[in-house]
Amino acid sequence: DPKIIQKPKYLVAVTGSEKILICEQYLGHNAMYWYRQSAKKPLEFMFSYSYQKLMDNQTASSRFQPQSSKKNHLDLQITALKPDDSATYFCASSGCSDYTFGSGTRLLVI
Amino acid sequence: SQWGEENLQALSIQEGEDVTMNCSYKTYTTVVHWYRQDSGRGPALIILIRSNEREKRSGRLRATLDTSSQSSSLSITAAQCEDTAVYFCATGTGYQNFYFGKGTSLTVIP
Repeated sequence: DPKIIQKPKYLVAVTGSEKILICEQYLGHNAMYWYRQSAKKPLEFMFSYSYQKLMDNQTASSRFQPQSSKKNHLDLQITALKPDDSATYFCASSGCSDYTFGSGTRLLVI
Repeated sequence: SQWGEENLQALSIQEGEDVTMNCSYKTYTTVVHWYRQDSGRGPALIILIRSNEREKRSGRLRATLDTSSQSSSLSITAAQCEDTAVYFCATGTGYQNFYFGKGTSLTVIP
């Protein structure tokens, strides 16, 4: 069973629209993260949360907003989508000695 | 800025051979993670080495860390076809956000 569930697996969006990427982890971790991976850049850290509080934000654009409704949830809301936002978005969580990634949401903005 | 940075390369080796991948990083780190990523999946942590360790082994994997030169390496002994993947190093200060290198694409030929 997957320990980190990301939904949807694939997403096609129109430029200017808004989407929410879902992430749930069942590892009992208190820290969760979002990363982005595109063909042009290495895996890129975006946000980190610990106990549902934002710890670090390396995303320049306010169009990206993480949302944590529960301890094991960290969703990512993206507004005013642009074609450059097309990428695979990975959610991750960590414990003392482990760091686990989900299988990603592949977003295509047209 | 990128903390972890690998010598981006694509390696192709014969099954049974040994291979070493290198990673250099620019900023202080307390731990280096090595991940493998299979096509269409998220990165999977395969070995981590802390700043107070010089070497770490896990099965056929061996990681080294030289904090004075800010470099790490991952070696795979007797590579097998299932070792074919992209390998990343990532650096960070603890279990928070990590910065990834560009990755090394390894192909093991039967």
